[in-house]
Amino acid sequence: KQEVTQIPAALSVPEGENLVLNCSFTDSAIYNLQWFRQDPGKGLTSLLLIQSSQREQTSGRLNASLDKSSGRSTLYIAASQPGDSATYLCAVPIPQGGSEKLVFGKGTKLTVNP
Amino acid sequence: NAGVTQTPKFQVLKTGQSMTLQCAQDMNHNSMYWYRQDPGMGLRLIYYSASEGTTDKGEVPNGYNVSRLNKREFSLRLESAAPSQTSVYFCASSDHSPLHFGNGTRLTVT
Repeated sequence: KQEVTQIPAALSVPEGENLVLNCSFTDSAIYNLQWFRQDPGKGLTSLLLIQSSQREQTSGRLNASLDKSSGRSTLYIAASQPGDSATYLCAVPIPQGGSEKLVFGKGTKLTVNP
Repeated sequence: NAGVTQTPKFQVLKTGQSMTLQCAQDMNHNSMYWYRQDPGMGLRLIYYSASEGTTDKGEVPNGYNVSRLNKREFSLRLESAAPSQTSVYFCASSDHSPLHFGNGTRLTVT
């Protein structure tokens, strides 16, 4: 059974700091991994999707890496800003019957202090 | 493009009452999903629909039913609400990755 773990559960940093969020998964037979952002009272917004053939994916100040063999992914946020404060979740798909179910980690709650 | 729209945004029910959570997407996606999110438990899949006319159980289906009314709409029904169903419910859709989420329905069962 695929299990996804995110450490730490919460992180508080001063503005401007570079930071890394961690995601680990137990079954390395994945074909992609997704990172989401969730603001309080809102749904999840997809940030980055890394295909299994890729080692990393970048969007602006965000960089996500994937190491399937070790069952790990990291989300790197450069020059953090208060607007980055949110909960970040990673998820891996379990393909089934033409659709894909996602298994989510419990998220890392990030607070960036001005 | 509204994306994924959920109604209502908030609901309070008494134990034993029934209700239907509505979800519609305008992205022509084949697959739709219902998740619940609880503190300390994360997001858990309740039901999903791979395509119009099909539905399948997810991780926590007990106490719920679903209907894929057409390609756009996927509803979640609580026939007899229980306090354990107090949660935030999210609908999502996709045509493979990535998943697109609605803003959720916050349900309280007293």
